[in-house]
Amino acid sequence: GQQVMQIPQYQHVQEGEDFTTYCNSSTTLSNIQWYKQRPGGHPVFLIQLVKSGEVKKQKRLTFQFGEAKKNSSLHITATQTTDVGTYFCAGVNNNDMRFGAGTRLTVKP
Amino acid sequence: DTEVTQTPKHLVMGMTNKKSLKCEQHMGHRAMYWYKQKAKKPPELMFVYSYEKLSINESVPSRFSPECPNSSLLNLHLHALQPEDSALYLCASSQEGGGGPGYYEQYFGPGTRLTVT
Repeated sequence: GQQVMQIPQYQHVQEGEDFTTYCNSSTTLSNIQWYKQRPGGHPVFLIQLVKSGEVKKQKRLTFQFGEAKKNSSLHITATQTTDVGTYFCAGVNNNDMRFGAGTRLTVKP
Repeated sequence: DTEVTQTPKHLVMGMTNKKSLKCEQHMGHRAMYWYKQKAKKPPELMFVYSYEKLSINESVPSRFSPECPNSSLLNLHLHALQPEDSALYLCASSQEGGGGPGYYEQYFGPGTRLTVT
């Protein structure tokens, strides 16, 4: 079955620094979704990428989908304390959706 | 209303108890999901309901029994659980486009934190 690897597992940054998390799939994906889960909270949908090479921006967040549709990244510019949480990618293929292990982001003020 | 509600928020049960988790959404979504999430782990899909019919069972033990009484409600009946079943149980819903999980964005509820003693 498909596997979705996500790195790094943890990232601790100083407020104002940038942050990136990466997802890689063992198989070609039809689409990929990104979710954020605050500490003690539940996953909240951020975005879905469908097209090869797609890039989408949401304010300080930039999402990319690789040309081969096997990898994706989330980049946050100038992190803020409100960015704290775990970011999960979820790769979708053949009616199967698999979450990556998540990247836990902590931000030091 | 983009909210998924779950009750109870917390549940402590013994291994011989029978309990139920409840989930409700009023977004008109016709796909509903149960996930299990252990601490510091990603959500693991358990069941998917599509148009009130069970469409996916991820080989979940029979001590977990899902039920979808109508398009807005989803239940998870628990019986004879084990301590390793202690986890956060998340319900989610989405539009149903025939493409299976991940075709549309999922809206998650706040979860029920279950402890089995």
